[in-house]
Amino acid sequence: AQTVTQSQPEMSVQEAETVTLSCTYDTSENNYYLFWYKQPPSRQMILVIRQEAYKQQNATENRFSVNFQKAAKSFSLKISDSQLGDTAMYFCAFIAGTYKYIFGTGTRLKVLA
Amino acid sequence: SQTIHQWPATLVQPVGSPLSLECTVEGTSNPNLYWYRQAAGRGLQLLFYSVGIGQISSEVPQNLSASRPQDRQFILSSKKLLLSDSGFYLCACSHGTGAYEQYFGPGTRLTVT
Repeated sequence: AQTVTQSQPEMSVQEAETVTLSCTYDTSENNYYLFWYKQPPSRQMILVIRQEAYKQQNATENRFSVNFQKAAKSFSLKISDSQLGDTAMYFCAFIAGTYKYIFGTGTRLKVLA
Repeated sequence: SQTIHQWPATLVQPVGSPLSLECTVEGTSNPNLYWYRQAAGRGLQLLFYSVGIGQISSEVPQNLSASRPQDRQFILSSKKLLLSDSGFYLCACSHGTGAYEQYFGPGTRLTVT
């Protein structure tokens, strides 16, 4: 079965600091896609970053970057220069050749002023 | 890019009453459509998904049903609400098979009293 695990229910970081959110997954597929979504207090789900498994290069979007370790089935999200607006729930998600996306249970991140 | 509309935004209904939540998508055609439920502070539970008009896949046997009467319309229904149906309901869309991100609507907060 395909699973996504986020082992950090809650984290906090000081404004302007860097934080890394962990995500591991399990699949027997070779081609798949990984995503990080952000859900702020408004509860609107927003795509943060996307990674194709066949690409060795880690995806980057401004202050957000990932550390994709395919062999270890690890997909962590690094947020640099944290801002108060980064306070949100962050979900790791995965899909492999189907219509069903598998989501982790989320990490609640609080950025402290 | 696509825009997903959901209504109502907030709903309070008594136990045993019917339910109809609507989701419509603009700016795209032939989307895959999804209904998720999210309990407070929790992850996403996939309820239904649809890859075409009239095609519905149910993930969790429960008190709810879904229909897709038009290409860009997805409806979540119940004949008799239960207290356990309370939650935050998200509609999402994607395209293709397992290669693209999902986009989410703003959600409907349902409270069953």
